[in-house]
Amino acid sequence: DQQVKQNSPSLSVQEGRISILNCDYTNSMFDYFLWYKKYPAEGPTFLISISSIKDKNEDGRFTVFLNKSAKHLSLHIVPSQPGDSAVYFCAASGETSGSRLTFGEGTQLTVNP
Amino acid sequence: NAGVMQNPRHLVRRRGQEARLRCSPMKGHSHVYWYRQLPEEGLKFMVYLQKENIIDESGMPKERFSAEFPKEGPSILRIQQVVRGDSAAYFCASSPWSGKGQYFGPGTRLTVT
Repeated sequence: DQQVKQNSPSLSVQEGRISILNCDYTNSMFDYFLWYKKYPAEGPTFLISISSIKDKNEDGRFTVFLNKSAKHLSLHIVPSQPGDSAVYFCAASGETSGSRLTFGEGTQLTVNP
Repeated sequence: NAGVMQNPRHLVRRRGQEARLRCSPMKGHSHVYWYRQLPEEGLKFMVYLQKENIIDESGMPKERFSAEFPKEGPSILRIQQVVRGDSAAYFCASSPWSGKGQYFGPGTRLTVT
């Protein structure tokens, strides 16, 4: 039962353009969402989060959008840089899941110079 | 301020041996989480502990796996009688409270031969 899904295993964009990574969830009890970035052989690094009381959160080049009715969130990176090339995971938590995070499968982002 | 530390970074065990994975949370963090990442998959929650207490072990396999977080010292994830299917990256995360911000260590890559 995959409660958090990232349907695109990979995404390739040109440097300077916008990267849009998508994530869908099925559990309506999720109320907090996070994006992590992961390089090979390293642990996930927290990027940005959003609570279900908001529909947008911005931090520098990173913006997360939440559409609760569609159970969909997206991460926008603009402008994209080659150093952004990594695997991006979305994760969710909520009242019924307690403190544990439920992760999507990840999207490999490649930013081409 | 050191981050979450995990050791060893790489561990090779033969089938039937025991594996012990250690995690030292960030300074001031008393909540520890263990996740497992199988090849080509996202991270899956295993167990959530506070000092001397297991809070949520709903993701732990019923047999061979155990976890502890003693009053003094690191958290330990123990896998007895390892099998090839246990080969994975095991990540530990910590947080200062039972909230949403989890900070991950670099992981331990377990290979069972």
